[in-house]
Amino acid sequence: AQSVTQPDIHITVSEGASLELRCNYSYGATPYLFWYVQSPGQGLQLLLKYFSGDTLVQGIKGFEAEFKRSQSSFNLRKPSVHWSDAAEYFCAAGTASKLTFGTGTRLQVTL
Amino acid sequence: EAGVAQSPRYKIIEKRQSVAFWCNPISGHATLYWYQQILGQGPKLLIQFQNNGVVDDSQLPKDRFSAERLKGVDSTLKIQPAKLEDSAVYLCASSPSNDRGGTQYFGPGTRLLVL
Repeated sequence: AQSVTQPDIHITVSEGASLELRCNYSYGATPYLFWYVQSPGQGLQLLLKYFSGDTLVQGIKGFEAEFKRSQSSFNLRKPSVHWSDAAEYFCAAGTASKLTFGTGTRLQVTL
Repeated sequence: EAGVAQSPRYKIIEKRQSVAFWCNPISGHATLYWYQQILGQGPKLLIQFQNNGVVDDSQLPKDRFSAERLKGVDSTLKIQPAKLEDSAVYLCASSPSNDRGGTQYFGPGTRLLVL
C-alpha cells in the first residue's frame, strides 16, 4: 500500500538554527513528491515539489529538499529558521494527481 | 491570479443536522478535490472531479456525504446527517490539467464543529 511517513510529530528549534524535517515514502515506483506548509487556521501552501532530474529541489521561503531514491526519503531543510516558520509541515507523495499525505510535523520556533 | 476560494470558513452545527460547503477553484483548473483533515492528521481525499465527472470517490462515506460539480467549475460538498466524528477541516484543492504530477493548490478550508 502507498504510504508517507513523517516520523517526527513535533520539533522545536531555536530561531537561526538549521532545520531538517524527515519524510519517507513507500510506493511501487518513484512518485512525485511535495512539501506543504499549513499555518494555524490556513490551508496548505506548496513549498516545493520533485518530479525528476536534480535531486536537490529549491522552494519558497528558503526551503530545500533532497530526494534520495536509495532511502525512499525526501527530507526538507532550511539553513536558518525564522520565527515565522512555525507551522505544520506535510510531506505528500503521489502519481497521476492523486496524493497521499503524511501525518505532519509541527514545528515550534523558540526565540 | 486568485486562489481557491471556500465558504464558509467556520461552521458549528448539532449532530444530525445537515451542512454544505462551497468551493471555487482556480480559474481554468480542470481537477478539483475535496479533503477531510481531522485534527492531528494529514488530509484525506474524499472525492476528486475531472471537469464535472467523478474520478475517485472511493473514500467518500456515501451514506451521508455527497458532492457535485455540475458545470465543471465550482463544487459543493454536503453532509447529511452530520455525526460528531465529522468535526474536521474540509479542504478544497484544484490542479491544472497541464501540470505533470498534478500539483494541487489548496483553499483556506472550512472548519466544521459538530456538537
